[in-house]
Amino acid sequence: SAVISQKPSRDICQRGTSLTIQCQVDSQVTMMFWYRQQPGQSLTLIATANQGSEATYESGFVIDKFPISRPNLTFSTLTVSNMSPEDSSIYLCSVEEYQGRYEQYFGPGTRLTVT
Amino acid sequence: AQTVTQSQPEMSVQEAETVTLSCTYDTSESDYYLFWYKQPPSRQMILVIRQEAYKQQNATENRFSVNFQKAAKSFSLKISDSQLGDAAMYFCAYRSAPNSGYALNFGKGTSLLVTP
Repeated sequence: SAVISQKPSRDICQRGTSLTIQCQVDSQVTMMFWYRQQPGQSLTLIATANQGSEATYESGFVIDKFPISRPNLTFSTLTVSNMSPEDSSIYLCSVEEYQGRYEQYFGPGTRLTVT
Repeated sequence: AQTVTQSQPEMSVQEAETVTLSCTYDTSESDYYLFWYKQPPSRQMILVIRQEAYKQQNATENRFSVNFQKAAKSFSLKISDSQLGDAAMYFCAYRSAPNSGYALNFGKGTSLLVTP
C-alpha cells in the first residue's frame, strides 16, 4: 500500500493566519482526498483533488478558505486560510490506490490548534 | 446521499472476550463497498476490513469479521479474542461503486475500550 506522509504533524497558529499542510505519497496516485476531523468527531470530506484539474469541494467548504494544489501525482497541499478557533481540527490526506479494486489509504494527519 | 449510523458511542470489552460494533447505513445504490477503519490515539486511520455489497459471504480478517445484512442495511464488526491493542476509535464507512474517485462516507465512530 501507498506510504503517505504529512507535514507538519501538528501546529499551533494564531487566528487570522494561514497554514499550508503538505501531503507526500511514495507512489503515483490519481485521486487524493482531504478530510477534516473536528475534536471528537468523525471525518468529513473537504475536497477531492485529481491531478491536472481543479479540486472539487464538498458543500460547506470553499476554495477561498481551503485552497488546494495538486502539482503532480505524488504531492498535494491544503491551505487553511484566515484561521479561526473553529478550524482547530485534524486534517487528513488520503489517496486512492488500485490493487485489483480501489482502496483508500490515509496519512497520519495534521493536528491544528488555532488560538 | 448515503448516511452511515453508528449508534454506540462507546463500547467496552475484557481482554480475550468478543465484542460486536454496530453500523447501519442508508442507500439506494445496489453496488457499493463497506469498510471498518480503526483510529488509535496515534490518529493513523487503519483499514480493518472491507465488504463488497455484491458478495454474500461475510468478510473475515483474522480476529475481525463482519455480519453483512444487505436487506437490513446492517454491517456489524465482530472482534474476537480482544487484545489491548484493539483499543481505538472504530469508524464504519461507505463507498459508492467500484469506480475511481469516490470518497468515503463515515459514521460518527465507536470508542472501544479494552480492559485487562
